[in-house]
Amino acid sequence: GDSVTQMEGPVTLSEEAFLTINCTYTATGYPSLFWYVQYPGEGLQLLLKATKADDKGSNKGFEATYRKETTSFHLEKGSVQVSDSAVYFCASNDYKLSFGAGTTVTVRA
Amino acid sequence: GAGVSQSPSNKVTEKGKDVELRCDPISGHTALYWYRQSLGQGLEFLIYFQGNSAPDKSGLPSDRFSAERTGGSVSTLTIQRTQQEDSAVYLCASVGSYEQYFGPGTRLTVT
Repeated sequence: GDSVTQMEGPVTLSEEAFLTINCTYTATGYPSLFWYVQYPGEGLQLLLKATKADDKGSNKGFEATYRKETTSFHLEKGSVQVSDSAVYFCASNDYKLSFGAGTTVTVRA
Repeated sequence: GAGVSQSPSNKVTEKGKDVELRCDPISGHTALYWYRQSLGQGLEFLIYFQGNSAPDKSGLPSDRFSAERTGGSVSTLTIQRTQQEDSAVYLCASVGSYEQYFGPGTRLTVT
């Protein structure tokens, strides 16, 4: 079945550092891909999405490009802030929604 | 517009009791998921409803767990004879075109 594998954390960064969280998927079809974010004490929020190959999702300075050839959807941000500290989940939706295990990111001032 | 709602928001129950968790999805959404998230863990898929098709129950951890979706709308997740390891946040997601909308969750604590 479909599955998502994302980089294990935790990840600790200094403010203004570059962040990458790797995500790869397996699917029999052509899934839509998502990144969700969960801030401390809050619920899951959709961060960005891409619905077809070569699409780039972007939001709040985060970007991820749907790479069909490498079955990847890596999340990047060029300059993180303390407020970006959260757990990030990669997800794919082909026949059904599958989530990665989550990556905890802590940004220190 | 109205989002996904779940009730109760918090539930504390004694070990061995049954609990029912409710999810009201977004009107018109045909697919609905239940997940649970244990403290510090990722999302564990439980069950998936899609339209009138038979639900995908492959994620239910034991036969103490069951779920139904009435009239293609409201869903109820039932846990019988609760155990301490059932303590978690139970999340419902309502699915529209290409996007899933999560409810705020029900925090279940089994004492």
